Amino acid sequence: SQTIHQWPATLVQPVGSPLSLECTVEGTSNPNLYWYRQAAGRGLQLLFYSVGIGQISSEVPQNLSASRPQDRQFILSSKKLLLSDSGFYLCAWRRGGTLYEQYFGPGTRLTVT
Amino acid sequence: AQRVTQPEKLLSVFKGAPVELKCNYSYSGSPELFWYVQYSRQRLQLLLRHISRESIKGFTADLNKGETSFHLKKPFAQEEDSAMYYCALSRESGNTPLVFGKGTRLSVIA
Repeated sequence: SQTIHQWPATLVQPVGSPLSLECTVEGTSNPNLYWYRQAAGRGLQLLFYSVGIGQISSEVPQNLSASRPQDRQFILSSKKLLLSDSGFYLCAWRRGGTLYEQYFGPGTRLTVT
Repeated sequence: AQRVTQPEKLLSVFKGAPVELKCNYSYSGSPELFWYVQYSRQRLQLLLRHISRESIKGFTADLNKGETSFHLKKPFAQEEDSAMYYCALSRESGNTPLVFGKGTRLSVIA
């Protein structure tokens, strides 16, 4: 069966510090991968998605970037965090090229102080 | 552009009352539609998808292409149904991400 992991679960970082959130998927190959930010009252905001290694599509211009160094690994990064980067970050995967549903990870709660 | 609208941010109902969570979409093609649920301190999970025409935990949803709606219904609400509900749309290409509504928080009052 397929599983999706995210870490860390919670993170407190000062303004201006770098960020690296990791997401990995097990039990499948060549998945589509997604990063979302979930904010109260604003729903799920898609940040990045990837259909293959090294292929990243950005949905929202911002202080964040994403990379996919391996088939089942997706990383969300920032060189310098802003207060507005605080939020709940979700990673998701989906079988590539299909209309199947997306499966979500447990999320990372990021607080920028 | 594709859009999913959930007009209610919060819906409160009494236990045993019927529930209807509204979802309207805007898409010119043939959409695949989903309902996701997030219970307190749990991850976002799929509740049902329209193509399956199934009932999960007593919930059903019918796609109405004429009204471009996919409302979620349950005849008798239970306290354990209290959660955040998201409606989502998939475009015809499976490689494009789901488009989510902003969600509706359902509160079932005992």
